[in-house]
Amino acid sequence: EDQVTQSPEALRLQEGESSSLNCSYTVSGLRGLFWYRQDPGKGPEFLFTLYSAGEEKEKERLKATLTKKESFLHITAPKPEDSATYLCAVQGGSEKLVFGKGTKLTVNP
Amino acid sequence: DAEITQSPRHKITETGRQVTLACHQTWNHNNMFWYRQDLGHGLRLIHYSYGVHDTNKGEVSDGYSVSRSNTEDLPLTLESAASSQTSVYFCASSEDRVGAGELFFGEGSRLTVL
Repeated sequence: EDQVTQSPEALRLQEGESSSLNCSYTVSGLRGLFWYRQDPGKGPEFLFTLYSAGEEKEKERLKATLTKKESFLHITAPKPEDSATYLCAVQGGSEKLVFGKGTKLTVNP
Repeated sequence: DAEITQSPRHKITETGRQVTLACHQTWNHNNMFWYRQDLGHGLRLIHYSYGVHDTNKGEVSDGYSVSRSNTEDLPLTLESAASSQTSVYFCASSEDRVGAGELFFGEGSRLTVL
């Protein structure tokens, strides 16, 4: 059974304080690992897809990396507008996405 | 701009009533999905469709049904609402089936069953 575990559950940072979110996974035949951002009262918004170990993707202050067992979402010099819940999901042989419970990030000014 | 819309955004109903949540997308995507989101759980797949007249059960499909009569719409029906179905429901669509992790989500429908 495909599984995704995200840590920490919540993270509070000061503006400019860089950090990383973790997504550990077990999947049979990884087709892709996906990161989403979710603002309160909104639907998730797609950020990145990673397909193989060693791959990296960047978007503004965010960089996602992938190994055979986990993915990291690195946030460099975050701003208050980066505050959101970040969701990780994997797609394996079943083709259906399995989501983690998310990490709630708060960036204080 | 293409979009995906859900209605109603908020609904309160009573146990035993039938409820239908609407989902309409203008992306012209073949693939559509319904998820529920609850505290302490990740998004969980209820039902999905890969095209007109195609429907499939997800991991939490009991008590729910869907039908797909056109590309744009995938309504979700709760045949007899239960308090355990109080949740936030999200509809999503995607262009690709394989590698279909790039989902476009609606804004969600918050359902309360009393």
